[in-house]
Amino acid sequence: GESVGLHLPTLSVQEGDNSIINCAYSNSASDYFIWYKQESGKGPQFIIDIRSNMDKRQGQRVTVLLNKTVKHLSLQIAATQPGDSAVYFCAENTFGNEKLTFGTGTRLTIIP
Amino acid sequence: DADVTQTPRNRITKTGKRIMLECSQTKGHDRMYWYRQDPGLGLRLIYYSFDVKDINKGEISDGYSVSRQAQAKFSLSLESAIPNQTALYFCATSDSASGRTDTQYFGPGTRLTVL
Repeated sequence: GESVGLHLPTLSVQEGDNSIINCAYSNSASDYFIWYKQESGKGPQFIIDIRSNMDKRQGQRVTVLLNKTVKHLSLQIAATQPGDSAVYFCAENTFGNEKLTFGTGTRLTIIP
Repeated sequence: DADVTQTPRNRITKTGKRIMLECSQTKGHDRMYWYRQDPGLGLRLIYYSFDVKDINKGEISDGYSVSRQAQAKFSLSLESAIPNQTALYFCATSDSASGRTDTQYFGPGTRLTVL
């Protein structure tokens, strides 16, 4: 079946540096992608999304890049802060399929 | 997200007991979902409902049932709990009217332990 996965289960980044979290997907028909942030003891929180007709989308301190050729997307967090410590996971959706498929997540740890 | 609430937040129960987890939302969304989260497995869909009269099974519905009592309420039941149902359970909502049905908003979760 189709799956969404992450390259690395953990990532440690120095405070102030940029973080890059990667996600691979296998369904070439996927046309909508979301990044979620999940802090300890909380539910997943929407960060940013991107549709397949775009290669890049920017939010506040975050950028999502989509490479449809290799079925890969990434989340870049600029000037990482302690509050960015969380598990980040991607989700994908295909038009006409009202269900999201979630990746397993990457734990981002900020080093002071 | 405070607009989506779940009760209880934590529950410990014994094998064979019936358990109900409740979800309420004030977002006015028509679509609601139940997921479970296990370490290393990510979120898996149990059931989803696109309106009060619509209930659909997800990928892991066995051992679970749901009830959509109103647009704002969606409850998940474990008729006879077993230890491998120990997990973190999340309710989520989305809004078909927004044109962005894909974006789901999650509650804070219920941690369920079955002994």
